[in-house]
Amino acid sequence: QPLLTQPSSVSGAPGQTVTISCTGDWSNLGAGYDVHWYQQLPGEAPKLLIFGNIHRPSGVPARFSASKSGTSASLVITGLQPEDEADYYCQSYGSSWTGVNLGGGTKLTVL
Amino acid sequence: EVQLVESGGGLGVPGRSLTLSCATSGFTFSDHRMSWFRQAPGKGLEWVGFIESGRYGGTKQYAGAVTGRFTLSRDDSKGIAYLHLSGLKTEDTAMYYCTRSYGQTTHFPSWGRGTLVTVSS
Repeated sequence: QPLLTQPSSVSGAPGQTVTISCTGDWSNLGAGYDVHWYQQLPGEAPKLLIFGNIHRPSGVPARFSASKSGTSASLVITGLQPEDEADYYCQSYGSSWTGVNLGGGTKLTVL
Repeated sequence: EVQLVESGGGLGVPGRSLTLSCATSGFTFSDHRMSWFRQAPGKGLEWVGFIESGRYGGTKQYAGAVTGRFTLSRDDSKGIAYLHLSGLKTEDTAMYYCTRSYGQTTHFPSWGRGTLVTVSS
């Protein structure tokens, strides 16, 4: 059972903005652990999209942004493009007894 | 260039064992925590476990679903991480991914392409 909660799916038309939420609790996001986001294109391994709540690795377009507040986090994709159609996962840490915490994944469909 | 290449997947028999390897290059292996994730067909990602670098004592932590059945190890001299799967169950069928994270950072900047394990009688 995923320890972080994400919507199962979101959709948007090209050029639009979509937001993917990630909700945790006191043991992970609320404990101050960073949130990270991954993009998984069909048939591929996950790719780090955002780390440390807000930071983009080099090569990730600026239209991907994220934030965190309390026990929640959000990934925002502006100017949607067809190649953004993928699964998106949030990830945090949840102390020594739960280890790495993951969201269940959100399937983004570009209409 | 950082590379992680998993191998050892294939058909596993329920109750038997399998060992996966993750061969790495392009970074200082001994400075990195090595983690494994898996993804069942059509399902989401699931964390399996990690093994700390020697600097942090080589501590291991496992997800509850695999504790007692899976074992992590590493060979810093060869830059290889291992995941030994024992007592295989059909629900262990998944793509298994190897990842790295520097020190005790909690994000995973590099992933292998995965190795597929299918457990079936």
